[in-house]
Amino acid sequence: DTGVSQDPRHKITKRGQNVTFRCDPISEHNRLYWYRQTLGQGPEFLTYFQNEAQLEKSRLLSDRFSAERPKGSFSTLEIQRTEQGDSAMYLCASSLGITATVGTDTQYFGPGTRLTVL
Amino acid sequence: TQLLEQSPQFLSIQEGENLTVYCNSSSVFSSLQWYRQEPGEGPVLLVTVVTGGEVKKLKRLTFQFGDARKDSSLHITAAQPGDTGLYLCAAMIDVYNTNAGKSTFGDGTTLTVKP
Repeated sequence: DTGVSQDPRHKITKRGQNVTFRCDPISEHNRLYWYRQTLGQGPEFLTYFQNEAQLEKSRLLSDRFSAERPKGSFSTLEIQRTEQGDSAMYLCASSLGITATVGTDTQYFGPGTRLTVL
Repeated sequence: TQLLEQSPQFLSIQEGENLTVYCNSSSVFSSLQWYRQEPGEGPVLLVTVVTGGEVKKLKRLTFQFGDARKDSSLHITAAQPGDTGLYLCAAMIDVYNTNAGKSTFGDGTTLTVKP
């Protein structure tokens, strides 16, 4: 069981730089989610994919954020012109999707990428 | 407005004590998950509850889903220092009736168990 993996685990960047994170989901999972988590809060939904289609984006996802899942497997999350307010843990999760039985489409999380914007 | 309210926000107890944490909402959910998260790591799934009134046990942890599927509780018996962590509840709203919805999270209960 390889689980969900994320790379890098930590990223320190200067304000205004672009950063890109990668997520590799569990292989048979159709859905992939991105969340952001700041200290003292639970994860906040950013966006999700069903295979390669991006089905929903949160209003938290400004135009500086873009996510892709080109082949329906791994996904990337890019942040352009980073701001200090972007500092957070970025979490990726995957789930079976519509193949799951009723109410059991549980999301499994990766270890996260900790972003610090100086 | 937070869809899921978790209480208490912080809990510090001695090893061997029992505790209960709560997850409440005014909305009905198709399922609810409990996760445990350690600093610098992603949440790790503990349990999924689906049926109203359902009770699940995982060693010293007992999870209950409310009859109306709006709330849940997590009870830990004889807490140990290894139970220390952030306990998150997450609820799934089956928005498209496809058995696959997005999850919304509470802000968690930070549990510290002192030896």
